[in-house]
Amino acid sequence: KQEVTQIPAALSVPEGENLVLNCSFTDSAIYNLQWFRQDPGKGLTSLLLIQSSQREQTSGRLNASLDKSSGRSTLYIAASQPGDSATYLCAVIANNDMRFGAGTRLTVKP
Amino acid sequence: GAGVSQSPSNKVTEKGKDVELRCDPISGHTALYWYRQSLGQGLEFLIYFQGNSAPDKSGLPSDRFSAERTGGSVSTLTIQRTQQEDSAVYLCASSLMSANYNEQFFGPGTRLTVL
Repeated sequence: KQEVTQIPAALSVPEGENLVLNCSFTDSAIYNLQWFRQDPGKGLTSLLLIQSSQREQTSGRLNASLDKSSGRSTLYIAASQPGDSATYLCAVIANNDMRFGAGTRLTVKP
Repeated sequence: GAGVSQSPSNKVTEKGKDVELRCDPISGHTALYWYRQSLGQGLEFLIYFQGNSAPDKSGLPSDRFSAERTGGSVSTLTIQRTQQEDSAVYLCASSLMSANYNEQFFGPGTRLTVL
């Protein structure tokens, strides 16, 4: 059974810092990995989707990498802003079976 | 529509009553997914539809849970004889063809409280 772990569970940084969120998974037989953000009381917003054949995806200040063989993904956020404060979730997808990590709660202090 | 919509946004019910939760996916999306997010818990995958078919129902927590999708569009998740442990946020997502290859887009969720 696929298990997805996100470290750290919570992170607090001052505005302007670059930061890395980590996601690991136990079964490398995945189709893709997707990163989301969730604001309190809201649904999930898709940030980046990495197909299993890709190694990274970039969108603005966000960069996600995927090392399928070692079961790891990272989400890099450059020049963090208070508006980036949210919970960040990674999900691995294998044959329409989606497994989510418990998330990293990020606080960016002004 | 512009995005995935869910109704109701909030539902409070008494233990033992049946509830129906509705999801309207993005127009043209053939794949639809239901998840549950309990307080302090991660997201739990419940069921997915490809068109009107649900190939795998093993993620549903019990036989009190059922789901259907008609016309390849709207889906309803029904919980019979609700229990307090059913209290959670129920999230729906859709993707163009399959989450195997396409992004999932989530609705705002339905917050269910069973008293």
